[in-house]
Amino acid sequence: SQQGEEDPQALSIQEGENATMNCSYKTSINNLQWYRQNSGRGLVHLILIRSNEREKHSGRLRVTLDTSKKSSSLLITASRAADTASYFCATRPTGGGADGLTFGKGTHLIIQP
Amino acid sequence: GAGVSQSPRYKVAKRGQDVALRCDPISGHVSLFWYQQALGQGPEFLTYFQNEAQLDKSGLPSDRFFAERPEGSVSTLKIQRTQQEDSAVYLCASSLGGRQYFGPGTRLTVT
Repeated sequence: SQQGEEDPQALSIQEGENATMNCSYKTSINNLQWYRQNSGRGLVHLILIRSNEREKHSGRLRVTLDTSKKSSSLLITASRAADTASYFCATRPTGGGADGLTFGKGTHLIIQP
Repeated sequence: GAGVSQSPRYKVAKRGQDVALRCDPISGHVSLFWYQQALGQGPEFLTYFQNEAQLDKSGLPSDRFFAERPEGSVSTLKIQRTQQEDSAVYLCASSLGGRQYFGPGTRLTVT
């Protein structure tokens, strides 16, 4: 079963605009990660935010984490056509259980040139 | 350096056939994970190895699924008597100390 739920499921914006995607999860976590997946390819790790962090930046990416609401957001600023991809949040729950990451269903982002 | 590689990239199997999917992790990575990704969904965890030991197989959907990593490097995911619901992309990831690096996946289509 999938823990995370990304919102929106699909997003289409003009090149140069900012894109915001949200993720909600259900259990306590050690960290939350965001991945990008281009069509027909594997997942590329974008950024990891730990449970004791509230905000993190990496280039044009900004991630926030609100553990009280069990939610995270990914902001991509000044979007480019190459940002077109599916974006997934993934969590690693605390307290044992499966050792793998638990992914959401993803947000499909389309950047219109 | 080389990333995680998987083979074959595409596999078509008739229902009832057995298939074997291979994963070559990044050299030196202790941890190896298999995930199943159905069309339009996020990846779902199948199983986890630390070196040659399979420490978690809680995500394997049935006893038709079997994974091994006998020498702690290359791993094989085997699916016996494939069913149509097994059609998916199978992703392998390796890790050394936390972050997971994913391969391109094997797209399995069962007809």
